[in-house]
Amino acid sequence: KNQVEQSPQSLIILEGKNCTLQCNYTVSPFSNLRWYKQDTGRGPVSLTIMTFSENTKSNGRYTATLDADTKQSSLHITASQLSDSASYICVGAGNQFYFGTGTSLTVIP
Amino acid sequence: EAGVAQSPRYKIIEKRQSVAFWCNPISGHATLYWYQQILGQGPKLLIQFQNNGVVDDSQLPKDRFSAERLKGVDSTLKIQPAKLEDSAVYLCASRRLSGQSYNEQFFGPGTRLTVL
Repeated sequence: KNQVEQSPQSLIILEGKNCTLQCNYTVSPFSNLRWYKQDTGRGPVSLTIMTFSENTKSNGRYTATLDADTKQSSLHITASQLSDSASYICVGAGNQFYFGTGTSLTVIP
Repeated sequence: EAGVAQSPRYKIIEKRQSVAFWCNPISGHATLYWYQQILGQGPKLLIQFQNNGVVDDSQLPKDRFSAERLKGVDSTLKIQPAKLEDSAVYLCASRRLSGQSYNEQFFGPGTRLTVL
């Protein structure tokens, strides 16, 4: 069964701290792994897209990693800001897109 | 380039009423998706169009939901009659071509539907 699981479900961190979000995926055939940021009341916005041959990709303070052998990905946020408060969704792409349920991140001052 | 446009942004209806949502994808994007996102969950695909043809509607509750993309550009999603469990955000997304799986998918702001 194709599925994507994310952890933790929610996370609260202090402004300026780092955090890492986790994603385990079972998608076959597998094409790429995506991370999206979804602000409250908005549609998801793409952060990174990685194929199975890529093991890391950065977008500013966001760095995603991919281990195709263990089928795990992580999203690391460095020096968090209040504007990072959002839901982060992991998506496995194969014949179609498989969405995780997201990690809700709250950054507090 | 302009993003994916959706309207209305919010809609409140009573159960058993009908409702329609509209989506205008990014110009030149052949593939259009409708997703349902229930609070606290990830988006669930309802229907995927390639130009004006349906690629996947396997999760569309066809007894009450319908969608069309007659001219291969904008699209409408209709619910008739609505149920309480249809309360959700309805997201529209578009991509250049679905065959090239690396292509980015762009989402609209969504329509938040509340069924009372």
